[in-house]
Amino acid sequence: GIQVEQSPPDLILQEGANSTLRCNFSDSVNNLQWFHQNPWGQLINLFYIPSGTKQNGRLSATTVATERYSLLYISSSQTTDSGVYFCAVDGNQGGKLIFGQGTELSVKP
Amino acid sequence: DAGITQSPRHKVTETGTPVTLRCHQTENHRYMYWYRQDPGHGLRLIHYSYGVKDTDKGEVSDGYSVSRSKTEDFLLTLESATSSQTSVYFCAISEPGPEQSRNTIYFGEGSWLTVV
Repeated sequence: GIQVEQSPPDLILQEGANSTLRCNFSDSVNNLQWFHQNPWGQLINLFYIPSGTKQNGRLSATTVATERYSLLYISSSQTTDSGVYFCAVDGNQGGKLIFGQGTELSVKP
Repeated sequence: DAGITQSPRHKVTETGTPVTLRCHQTENHRYMYWYRQDPGHGLRLIHYSYGVKDTDKGEVSDGYSVSRSKTEDFLLTLESATSSQTSVYFCAISEPGPEQSRNTIYFGEGSWLTVV
């Protein structure tokens, strides 16, 4: 099956810094999503981005499907950005999203 | 808010007892999913449903069964709970996008299950 690898596994930032999170996947996909899990466990969908670039406020994402990776950019980070960021892909197997292990982000005031 | 409610939110049960977790949605979404989340494993798909009475297995389905007799409810049952099934369980729904494909997934708030 498809393998999903996220890097880095952990990241500590000072408030106001920028960061880039990476998601590599091993096969072609027709669905790629980024999620944020806050410290209370809630999972929030950030982007549906199987290809191209999207932006939502301080967050943006780019997926280069031909090279099998996606990047999530966080600019001017805030303490509320802390949590775990997951990348998940669907390799056209009936909607079964495969999740990466996540990147745990901690933003310090 | 995708209108997803999970119950119970927290449960402690004994090994060998049956447990049913309920996922209820209010917006008539066709696709529903059950995931479990464990340290070191991220989220893994247990079962999913693409309509009433239509279900299929995910990557970690052993020891679990599901039922979907109504669009709004997707039940996950542990027939005989084991300690390895201690986990956080998330229900999810997906909405079709403009490409008429199953995409954007939304999660419920999770059910914390402890098997002792």
